[in-house]
Amino acid sequence: QAQVVQSGTEVKRPGASVRVSCKASGYTFSNLGVNWVRQAPGQGLEWMGWIAPYSGIPRYAQKFQGRVTMTTDTSTNTAYMDLRSLRSDDTAVYYCTTRNCFSGACGVFDYWGQGTLVTVSS
Amino acid sequence: DIQMTQSPSSLSASVGDRVTITCQASQYISNYLNWYQQKPGKAPKLLIYDASHLERGVPSRFSGSGSGTDFTFTISSLQPEDIATYYCQQYDNVPPAFGQGTKLEIK
Repeated sequence: QAQVVQSGTEVKRPGASVRVSCKASGYTFSNLGVNWVRQAPGQGLEWMGWIAPYSGIPRYAQKFQGRVTMTTDTSTNTAYMDLRSLRSDDTAVYYCTTRNCFSGACGVFDYWGQGTLVTVSS
Repeated sequence: DIQMTQSPSSLSASVGDRVTITCQASQYISNYLNWYQQKPGKAPKLLIYDASHLERGVPSRFSGSGSGTDFTFTISSLQPEDIATYYCQQYDNVPPAFGQGTKLEIK
């Protein structure tokens, strides 16, 4: 049974950085596309970027270019999302969502982590 | 970037009602359209992929239709456990984009 588990709640000061991790199990990690989606309090879903399977090449939403880095560690089946220069409007729940791109289209988000709340406050 | 417009933004209906949500893409996206359900404090859950295909384990009262730019999501008979916010999402182009959501409440 596929499962995605994320790291816990974070509280950060403005200007700091945060790393959120996402551990996948139950399927071949190298086949996975890993997307990151965030949701500000009371707001909708916002796609931040993804890492393509096998190549590990990331692609970021223009809004986050220069401030975000997404990586994967295939030895531990874990994906990471680093966000720098945090601002109060980065306060949100951050989700990773994975997809076995070799069993279906990468853009269908079928497995989601539980979400990680990141609060940015002075 | 493709913009997704959902309507209505909120909806109140009675148990047993037929509920319909629409989603319009700002440009042609073929059938590359998914629907998700999100309950408070939970991650989104995939219900429908490729506009009309029901994800495994999802009750058959949920359905989707459409192609091109106009899409519809339907609950044939609303159940109390269907109270949630529903999102459409296109993946024809990068960045994949979500609609703004439809919050469904029981009347």
